[in-house]
Amino acid sequence: KNQVEQSPQSLIILEGKNCTLQCNYTVSPFSNLRWYKQDTGRGPVSLTIMTFSENTKSNGRYTATLDADTKQSSLHITASQLSDSASYICVVRVRGNNRLAFGKGNQVVVIP
Amino acid sequence: NAGVMQNPRHLVRRRGQEARLRCSPMKGHSHVYWYRQLPEEGLKFMVYLQKENIIDESGMPKERFSAEFPKEGPSILRIQQVVRGDSAAYFCASSPGDSFREQYFGPGTRLTVT
Repeated sequence: KNQVEQSPQSLIILEGKNCTLQCNYTVSPFSNLRWYKQDTGRGPVSLTIMTFSENTKSNGRYTATLDADTKQSSLHITASQLSDSASYICVVRVRGNNRLAFGKGNQVVVIP
Repeated sequence: NAGVMQNPRHLVRRRGQEARLRCSPMKGHSHVYWYRQLPEEGLKFMVYLQKENIIDESGMPKERFSAEFPKEGPSILRIQQVVRGDSAAYFCASSPGDSFREQYFGPGTRLTVT
């Protein structure tokens, strides 16, 4: 079973609307959690990184939340744009080693 | 400051041939990580290297795969005697220190084995 589960697997939204992506993890011990954006045919680009003491962090129209007690994170996209069409990957770092556990990604398609 | 560079971006090999994938980390970064992404799957860790040292290769298949990061030049991921199941996107990431810091990803090499 994957240590990082993301939902929904894919999502189609209208331009200008908001959406929220979910990430649940079982990784322990936890060090930090990152959200990456991966455009088709490109490498992942970091959006946010949070340690367990942080419960929200914003980067422009992207806002990530973290509940380390329930091991859940979300990524909220406000006023979506066509360029937001991408895969959004939740990545959890295991404390004490160099390993990162990757989710499969939320595939977002923004339509005009 | 150029980002992480990978080449080639696309590579086609016949079964049994060798594939060499190159990764040049960002300037000033001495740590390199290789990941594999199969279609519809998440990224999977393969190997973590510092200059001239393999730190963690626990994600590497035991046979046919090897990686190096020489003192000079790019990091190389080498796949010998490729099979169709090796077809995937291979991503390299680099960081200035260990991965407590953020890893910056390259654009990937898409390997197709025919």
